[in-house]
Amino acid sequence: RKEVEQDPGPFNVPEGATVAFNCTYSNSASQSFFWYRQDCRKEPKLLMSVYSSGNEDGRFTAQLNRASQYISLLIRDSKLSDSATYLCVVLRPSSGYSTLTFGKGTMLLVSP
Amino acid sequence: NAGVTQTPKFRVLKTGQSMTLLCAQDMNHEYMYWYRQDPGMGLRLIHYSVGEGTTAKGEVPDGYNVSRLKKQNFLLGLESAAPSQTSVYFCASRTSGGISYEQYFGPGTRLTVT
Repeated sequence: RKEVEQDPGPFNVPEGATVAFNCTYSNSASQSFFWYRQDCRKEPKLLMSVYSSGNEDGRFTAQLNRASQYISLLIRDSKLSDSATYLCVVLRPSSGYSTLTFGKGTMLLVSP
Repeated sequence: NAGVTQTPKFRVLKTGQSMTLLCAQDMNHEYMYWYRQDPGMGLRLIHYSVGEGTTAKGEVPDGYNVSRLKKQNFLLGLESAAPSQTSVYFCASRTSGGISYEQYFGPGTRLTVT
C-alpha cells in the first residue's frame, strides 16, 4: 500500500457546487496531516492543516478519521478560482517528523 | 521578504553535463528540502537538510548531491545529467521550532536533459 493515496480526478464541477476529496495513508503512526494546493505550473502552498477534531476555514472543511486512516477535504460553494490540484500530505514519523510525504494530487476543475 | 528563491528558472542540459541548482531562503529557516515533480508521480523528496552543514537522503537521492554550507542556501548538484532527470525541481524550507510543519516552496526550476 502506498504511503499516501488520492484519486487523481479530474473532478469537474459547476460553480457553486460542493465537492469532496478523500485521501488514505498507510502509516498508523502518522500524527500530522495537511492539504496543500498547487496551481498549474506553480509551487505547492499550504491550504490547511487537518486536526483530529476536524477544522473549517471559510468554505473549506478538513476531517481526519484515524481508525480508517483517511483524510477528507470538503469545498462548499465552489469558485472558478478553486480550480487547482489538491495535495494530501502526511508528516513522516520515520524521518523524526522532519519530512513530508505528498500524495499525487486530485485535480479540480470548476466551470461557469 | 523574497521567501524562497530558485536559480535558474529554466535549463536545458545535454546528457552527461553537470549543473548546480541554487535555493536561497531569507526566513532564517533551519530545514531545507529538494523535491522533484514528474507527471503522474507527485512530489518526491531528493535530499534534505535539518541545519547548516547537515544533509540527508530522501526518497530518490541517486544521481544527485547536495550541500548546505550556509544556513540560507541549499545547493542541488547533478554530476552527470541523464534524460531521466528531466523534471521540475522544487526547493522548500521550514522552521524547526513551534508546532507548524508548513513548508514554503520556491517557484521551481524546469530542467530538460536531452
